[in-house]
Amino acid sequence: GIQVEQSPPDLILQEGANSTLRCNFSDSVNNLQWFHQNPWGQLINLFYIPSGTKQNGRLSATTVATERYSLLYISSSQTTDSGVYFCAVETNYGQNFVFGPGTRLSVLP
Amino acid sequence: DTAVSQTPKYLVTQMGNDKSIKCEQNLGHDTMYWYKQDSKKFLKIMFSYNNKELIINETVPNRFSPKSPDKAHLNLHINSLELGDSAVYFCASSPDIFSLAHNEQFFGPGTRLTVL
Repeated sequence: GIQVEQSPPDLILQEGANSTLRCNFSDSVNNLQWFHQNPWGQLINLFYIPSGTKQNGRLSATTVATERYSLLYISSSQTTDSGVYFCAVETNYGQNFVFGPGTRLSVLP
Repeated sequence: DTAVSQTPKYLVTQMGNDKSIKCEQNLGHDTMYWYKQDSKKFLKIMFSYNNKELIINETVPNRFSPKSPDKAHLNLHINSLELGDSAVYFCASSPDIFSLAHNEQFFGPGTRLTVL
């Protein structure tokens, strides 16, 4: 089945810093989503981005489907950005939604 | 509020008991899912239902039985609970196949199950 990798596994930032999180996947996909799991355990949709670029406030994401990776950019990070960021993909031939292992982000005041 | 909701939020029970977790979505979606998140935060799909019909059943013990009384509800019943069933269970839903982003998934708040 499809393999999904995320890097880095852990990231510690000072408030105000920028960061880039990466998601690599091993096969063609027709769905890619980024989620933020906050410290209370809620899974929050960030982006539905099987291809292209989207922006939402301080966050933006780019998926290059032909090269099988996606990037999540966080600018001017805040302590409330702390948590685990997951990417998840669904393949073109309908394989189940597969989550990556996540990137744990800690933003320090 | 339009959302995916789950009850209960927390569930603590003894080994061997039978328990159920309920999920409801009022987004008008056709497809609903159950996921399990283990202690290492790894998320994996368990089941998927489309219009009350089972379409995905991963390698889950048959002690786990999903039930969909209508397309807005997907409940998870677990028999003979074991210590290893302790996890956070998430329900999710996605729109109908004719929507532009038909496979975008929306998650409920999760149910933390602890088996003692």
